[in-house]
Amino acid sequence: GAGVSQSPRYKVAKRGQDVALRCDPISGHVSLFWYQQALGQGPEFLTYFQNEAQLDKSGLPSDRFFAERPEGSVSTLKIQRTQQEDSAVYLCASSLATYEQYFGPGTRLTVT
Amino acid sequence: QKEVEQNSGPLSVPEGAIASLNCTYSDRGSQSFFWYRQYSGKSPELIMFIYSNGDKEDGRFTAQLNKASQYVSLLIRDSQPSDSATYLCAVADSWGKLQFGAGTQVVVTP
Repeated sequence: GAGVSQSPRYKVAKRGQDVALRCDPISGHVSLFWYQQALGQGPEFLTYFQNEAQLDKSGLPSDRFFAERPEGSVSTLKIQRTQQEDSAVYLCASSLATYEQYFGPGTRLTVT
Repeated sequence: QKEVEQNSGPLSVPEGAIASLNCTYSDRGSQSFFWYRQYSGKSPELIMFIYSNGDKEDGRFTAQLNKASQYVSLLIRDSQPSDSATYLCAVADSWGKLQFGAGTQVVVTP
């Protein structure tokens, strides 16, 4: 079946621009996670949804980062006033229950 | 101190040999343990998960968990060049939030 999809796959933003990254989870998966991966590092947790409820946003680096999942399916990660340190790969993962997470292809964000 | 530790490698393994990857974690409350494979420029791919102490085998892969020692390992038997990748160890809390190690790069040489 279809896996997790993310769009855009690549995004170049000028410093100060706002960006929106989309995640379409596997159909029926109630849990959705966002991670940020810097080059040469493992993914770092950003935030977690169970259906439409955001249960943990402790990993969001600043109040410029905002995530939503209004209908419990598609999720959007928004970054306002992008900075160079925001350059990374943003990964979305979904799971049916709590544990086994399946990742999308990621969005590579470059802030110039 | 990172909560999930892995040797960064690279781990060079001759084709056909066994690759052994290790991971330690600090949170005794961790519930479940995962190994992901990540090819360069790609996203992590789940290859193994283990929840109970002991061994779990799936094809050429064996995961081993020792909660008392806070240690999890991955063995890759009959290593192939296609196994060359970075292997990420991940530990989940009760909510399922994953904490990853930095990964071990494996290079399988023909």
